[in-house]
Amino acid sequence: QQPVQSPQAVILREGEDAVINCSSSKALYSVHWYRQKHGEAPVFLMILLKGGEQKGHEKISASFNEKKQQSSLYLTASQLSYSGTYFCGTPVSREVRGSTLGRLYFGRGTQLTVWP
Amino acid sequence: DTGVSQNPRHKITKRGQNVTFRCDPISEHNRLYWYRQTLGQGPEFLTYFQNEAQLEKSRLLSDRFSAERPKGSFSTLEIQRTEQGDSAMYLCATKDSLDYEQYFGPGTRLTVT
Repeated sequence: QQPVQSPQAVILREGEDAVINCSSSKALYSVHWYRQKHGEAPVFLMILLKGGEQKGHEKISASFNEKKQQSSLYLTASQLSYSGTYFCGTPVSREVRGSTLGRLYFGRGTQLTVWP
Repeated sequence: DTGVSQNPRHKITKRGQNVTFRCDPISEHNRLYWYRQTLGQGPEFLTYFQNEAQLEKSRLLSDRFSAERPKGSFSTLEIQRTEQGDSAMYLCATKDSLDYEQYFGPGTRLTVT
């Protein structure tokens, strides 16, 4: 049930854009996006709960196509601080606030490097 | 700093030794997860607690692994008779039951020589 991420790595110049994709061969109930800098803990970016949902976080946004079982993370006008490894995580079933679920399956990650 | 702490941050041990890691969650979070992360991989789920109850264990968690969360506060993960394949980063994450976001600790990096 591990989601598949692409590409594995991206190298950008400051100010360039990037797209990171996350897909699953099984039903994708929701998508969590995290960023992990080298030697640090993963940090939550955003969650998409419904098909068609789009969210933004500064210049980082994401979309979720439940029917196609995929999500994309968009980084626009990238900054040096965006460097890190981006992971998508998916739950085993549909999440309901307050339910006892919560375990996530994470993809292998996409390593993003932004150069000045 | 997410508010989740883990100790020790690094542990080097010889094969066959036992090791124990500790995770201190954000105080109001009743859910606590343990993940393992190896180089080039995303975090892999190991086990999960709601308060003091261990609700789920991954098949990755062999009999040599045990986790506890007494009183529903801090948690410990013990690995007995360590093997070289146990070398990894062990991450703890906590969350509130009414929220979706998991807050990760900085991890304990285990090296088995």
